[in-house]
Amino acid sequence: AQTVTQSQPEMSVQEAETVTLSCTYDTSENNYYLFWYKQPPSRQMILVIRQEAYKQQNATENRFSVNFQKAAKSFSLKISDSQLGDTAMYFCAFMKQSGEAGANNLFFGTGTRLTVIP
Amino acid sequence: DAGVIQSPRHEVTEMGQEVTLRCKPISGHDYLFWYRQTMMRGLELLIYFNNNVPIDDSGMPEDRFSAKMPNASFSTLKIQPSEPRDSAVYFCASSFFRGRDQPQHFGDGTRLSIL
Repeated sequence: AQTVTQSQPEMSVQEAETVTLSCTYDTSENNYYLFWYKQPPSRQMILVIRQEAYKQQNATENRFSVNFQKAAKSFSLKISDSQLGDTAMYFCAFMKQSGEAGANNLFFGTGTRLTVIP
Repeated sequence: DAGVIQSPRHEVTEMGQEVTLRCKPISGHDYLFWYRQTMMRGLELLIYFNNNVPIDDSGMPEDRFSAKMPNASFSTLKIQPSEPRDSAVYFCASSFFRGRDQPQHFGDGTRLSIL
């Protein structure tokens, strides 16, 4: 079974500063995907960034980037130039590579509540 | 393009009543997932469909829960009879596979409160 651990229940950061959210996972799979989803107070689940395990290069999406360490099974999210709209719950998620069979479900961590302070 | 659409957004009902949650996936997506989010258990998969066929329902808590997908554009999750411990936010998500896994896109969720 896959497990995803987010050890920081809550974090805060000053506006315009940089913050890093931690995530570790446990799996015996070699091919898989990792995701960060954002859930603002509006309750939507918004995909922030994804990483394919076979890619060594860390994914980036504008102000969001990841530090993917496959051997350590670590997948942290860095938010640069934090904005008030970044205030949300952030969930790390794992998905096996499904191959020809198609999609697999997501395994989620317990989330980190991030507050951006003006 | 329209995202995943769920209805209702909020549902409050009394214990013992039947509850039906609805989901319209993104057009062209052939996978549909139902998740439940609670404070105690976080986000957990209940069931998912591929081309309208249930593939994995091992997360469905008990027989009181049932899900259907009569066509590619509609799915329901039904709880009968409902109990207070079913109170949670229920999310529907959809995705597609074209030789490569694609991320799941979520609806806005239904907040269910069972009194």
